[in-house]
Amino acid sequence: AQKITQTQPGMFVQEKEAVTLDCTYDTSDPSYGLFWYKQPSSGEMIFLIYQGSYDQQNATEGRYSLNFQKARKSANLVISASQLGDSAMYFCAMSPPNTGNQFYFGTGTSLTVIP
Amino acid sequence: EAQVTQNPRYLITVTGKKLTVTCSQNMNHEYMSWYRQDPGLGLRQIYYSMNVEVTDKGDVPEGYKVSRKEKRNFPLILESPSPNQTSLYFCASSYIQGNQPQHFGDGTRLSIL
Repeated sequence: AQKITQTQPGMFVQEKEAVTLDCTYDTSDPSYGLFWYKQPSSGEMIFLIYQGSYDQQNATEGRYSLNFQKARKSANLVISASQLGDSAMYFCAMSPPNTGNQFYFGTGTSLTVIP
Repeated sequence: EAQVTQNPRYLITVTGKKLTVTCSQNMNHEYMSWYRQDPGLGLRQIYYSMNVEVTDKGDVPEGYKVSRKEKRNFPLILESPSPNQTSLYFCASSYIQGNQPQHFGDGTRLSIL
């Protein structure tokens, strides 16, 4: 079975500080992809960042970076210089690449940025 | 504009009355999927489709049906809705390669009384 675990139901961060949202995964496939999505209070799902299991470097997209530790099966999202607009739910997700197969989402972490 | 369109956005109905939530995408994506989102449970995949006439069960398929007769459309059918299917539903699509992010619709909030 494949599974995503997000152990932080809620997080608080001071504006302009960095924050790390945890994600661990469980899979026996050697090849897989990891995604992070943001869901603001308006409800839409916004893709943030992707990491492939064979990627040599950690993914970065602007203020978002992914701390990928393959041996520990973790894919933590780091948001630098937090902004008030970063307050949202964040979901980690996983899919085996190149198969168009089943996607698995975690239960999410609610991030609140404090002014 | 590239988008995934779901309809209706909101629906209140009664137990047992068949309903269909439509989903259409204009990006020529092979992969389409339905999720339900419930508090504390995240998004759970109901069904997915890798191409026309190809559908597979996700984690929570009971009580739902889907069809993929055309590449752009992937309707979700509740033949006999029950209150435990009250939820927020999302349709999503992507290219078949696994490194492609899914594009989500705006969601459909269903209430089954």
